[in-house]
Amino acid sequence: ETGVTQTPRHLVMGMTNKKSLKCEQHLGHNAMYWYKQSAKKPLELMFVYNFKEQTENNSVPSRFSPECPNSSHLFLHLHTLQPEDSALYLCASTNQETQYFGPGTRLLVL
Amino acid sequence: QKEVEQNSGPLSVPEGAIASLNCTYSDRGSQSFFWYRQYSGKSPELIMSIYSNGDKEDGRFTAQLNKASQYVSLLIRDSQPSDSATYLCAREAAGNKLTFGGGTRVLVKP
Repeated sequence: ETGVTQTPRHLVMGMTNKKSLKCEQHLGHNAMYWYKQSAKKPLELMFVYNFKEQTENNSVPSRFSPECPNSSHLFLHLHTLQPEDSALYLCASTNQETQYFGPGTRLLVL
Repeated sequence: QKEVEQNSGPLSVPEGAIASLNCTYSDRGSQSFFWYRQYSGKSPELIMSIYSNGDKEDGRFTAQLNKASQYVSLLIRDSQPSDSATYLCAREAAGNKLTFGGGTRVLVKP
């Protein structure tokens, strides 16, 4: 266990659904990240939050909406997703030296 | 040109042999590099970080960095079947953002 937890671990949703992914870190880190990992593609950085402020949005479609209410929690709100959004969504946090990943949420959009 | 490039493999290695993985990067300003191991269906876990030219050893793992040639490598000595995984190379950009390569799949055969 890295000290970064994610829920749910698996999610199946239709294109008209709204769902949220949750990430929590128990490491006292101040920066948190969302990554997307699709089959046969490199890990893609989606969003970066430093001290609860979004500092990076890597041209992510608006159907993905992040929220960071405090330094320990990070959400990714999903709505009207497309089948090509099916992927492993990974949360990470950092102590400014090393990024620690959560176990990921495996998302399938039907 | 991709920012971080890796041979996708699979790299097939007999048990007990040395596995040699290579990674090249395009941004000469990159200062910090990381090797992550990712088992199938799991999230990446950090194996090594390296910041200076030369070798860095940790147990059976040795990372090598050559900034002039823009490559970083990972050697796994005495390879074990449990080392079978995908190995991700990453470089750190400003703001503690990581850019990942596509990963090299390693298969250690008993």
